Amino acid sequence: QVQLKETGPGLVQPTQTLSITCTVSGFSLTSYYMQWVRQTPGKGLEWMGFIRSGGSTEYNSEFKSRLSISRDTSKNQVFLKMNSLKTEDTGVYYCARDGLGGAYYFDYWGQGVMVTVSS
Amino acid sequence: DVQMTQSLSYLAASPGESVSISCKASKSISNYLAWYQQKPGEAYKLLIYSGSTLQSGTPSRFSGSGSGTDFTLTIRSLEPEDFGLYYCQQYYEKPLTFGSGTKLEIK
Repeated sequence: QVQLKETGPGLVQPTQTLSITCTVSGFSLTSYYMQWVRQTPGKGLEWMGFIRSGGSTEYNSEFKSRLSISRDTSKNQVFLKMNSLKTEDTGVYYCARDGLGGAYYFDYWGQGVMVTVSS
Repeated sequence: DVQMTQSLSYLAASPGESVSISCKASKSISNYLAWYQQKPGEAYKLLIYSGSTLQSGTPSRFSGSGSGTDFTLTIRSLEPEDFGLYYCQQYYEKPLTFGSGTKLEIK
């Protein structure tokens, strides 16, 4: 069955870089877009960006040049990297599978990984 | 950006009752709307997409309606497992945006 699981550092210092891995099973990354969404106390659920089944990416301009999404199809993993972290980036980060080749709704989600930005 | 407003942040109801949760978009989004359920310790679950299409596995007591700017998620005959948080999301245009959520609690 379809499964997604995020792993990440838990605690990151301000100005540092966040790296989260989403490991998937039950489907192929070359067949589905993969999305990243976060939930913060200040802004609730925010769409961050996605990587298409072909490997190209698109980001929410809110995150400007701070965000990078990549993948390793051989390992069934998708990666989120975001630099210049601020305390406001504290929240839960989710990977999610896009519904159907760019449907832009999310049919499966990981359980999320809590990230705290603090010195 | 399209703002999604869920005016009710909290709703209490009893098992067996029917409830409706509303979601309003700041501009017309046609029917590009999804509903999700979140329960503590569980992953978000897609319930409905395209405003009214039930995702595979969503019980038939759930229904979605609306088009344009106003949408409603209705749950008929509430079951104990239906209590949790409900979010709407528009995918008419990017950035994709979510409502702030409605918490459905047992009365």
